[in-house]
Amino acid sequence: ETVLTQSPAALSVSPGESATLSCRASESVSSGLAWYQQKPGQAPRLLIYDSSARATGIPARFSGSGSGTEFTLTISSLQSEDFAVYFCQQYNNWPPSTFGQGTSVEIK
Amino acid sequence: QLHLQESGPGLVKPSETLSLTCSVSGGPFNSIFHFWGWIRQAPGKGLEWIANVYHTGKTYYNPSLESRVTISADLSKSQFSLTLRSVTVADTAVYYCASQYTSGGETAEYFEHWGQGSLVTVSS
Repeated sequence: ETVLTQSPAALSVSPGESATLSCRASESVSSGLAWYQQKPGQAPRLLIYDSSARATGIPARFSGSGSGTEFTLTISSLQSEDFAVYFCQQYNNWPPSTFGQGTSVEIK
Repeated sequence: QLHLQESGPGLVKPSETLSLTCSVSGGPFNSIFHFWGWIRQAPGKGLEWIANVYHTGKTYYNPSLESRVTISADLSKSQFSLTLRSVTVADTAVYYCASQYTSGGETAEYFEHWGQGSLVTVSS
């Protein structure tokens, strides 16, 4: 199965600053990658699909890029509601769909 | 807007069978654009895809769980269900049901809509 490795595991950022999260795949997933946000006690929420397409209702400060094995989620001008855990998921080499282990974005 | 809701017991004894149901509303269950799937998250851990089902009855399983899992769909009730047999404490997790986008029923892609999750604890 395709293994996704996210880095860093945790990231401390001040409100208003930008955050860059990385997701690396063990083999090419083309553009079949999604990003999710998860807050404590809540289900994950789809942010980005097909590597760079924003899901419905997702603010423009969230952007995704990459293809093949290297992907990035950028959150510009972090708001208080953006502090959460972020997961990547690949669906190009399915089944199985696989997820990264997550990056926690914390308030600095 | 699709709405998904999990239901089932919150406590299961080791070696017994875990059964969960997901009720879907707000959209057609037989949509050609959705697989229906289960994902779980052990406490403090990441996400693990378990299985999904298409409205035609086509099913796909995570190889790591396939020997113990059955997923099925009931179109008449707009529900799909998960059965996990011979559970151990390692199966303790929040179980989510979700819709998984598909462009035509051949490949399952990203998870668009999620249920709130159902905590299942395996303990004697």
